[in-house]
Amino acid sequence: QAVVTQEPSLTVSPGGTVTLTCGSSAGAVTSGHHPYWFQQKPGQAPRTLISDTSDKHSWTPARFSGSFLGGKAALTLSGAQPEDEAEYYCLLSYSGARPVFGGGTKLTVL
Amino acid sequence: EVQLVESGGDLVQPGRSLRLSCTASGFMFRDYAMSWFRQAPGKGLEWVGFIGSKAYGGTTEYAASVKGRFTISRDDSKTIVYLQMSGLKTEDTAVYYCAREGPDYWGQGTLVTVSS
Repeated sequence: QAVVTQEPSLTVSPGGTVTLTCGSSAGAVTSGHHPYWFQQKPGQAPRTLISDTSDKHSWTPARFSGSFLGGKAALTLSGAQPEDEAEYYCLLSYSGARPVFGGGTKLTVL
Repeated sequence: EVQLVESGGDLVQPGRSLRLSCTASGFMFRDYAMSWFRQAPGKGLEWVGFIGSKAYGGTTEYAASVKGRFTISRDDSKTIVYLQMSGLKTEDTAVYYCAREGPDYWGQGTLVTVSS
């Protein structure tokens, strides 16, 4: 099974921009992996922010965007707010329909 | 409004069985695949398995860690998806979430504790 890698932790200043990445031990991440991004705050269920690389949901703040960067999936937060402090997980789909999560990135807004 | 409500979490002994339910509302349940995920205390998210819609044969897939022990089923008339867990191990202790195809919508989770 492939291993999905994320930065363990990142810090961003309020109003700043930060990019979280999601890599695969099996090679470059592509649209065929259908990258998803989730936000999870302590004691809460995950919330889907981005589907299929870059599709936002009605509840996704406009400051979040999804893309590819250097062979990885990327989640960019532009104009960080204190409420964006959370754990962020990516999810990649592989052949055989068995999706794999990254280990998560703890984002601190400080 | 889409809602997913899990239930059935409990404290169980190793080797025993437990069935979780996820009751859905606010969308055409029968048209969607449904998935189960879990999160062990202080750990990350793990995909458990999914069941496709009947239109796609109701196909099921499972993570290697639960295959052969867990079974996902659905009752479209009741808009419920089930997770039947047998041969439970201490490492199955987690909050279990159901989610709609995607996943886009998630339930609030139900805690399963496997301990003697």
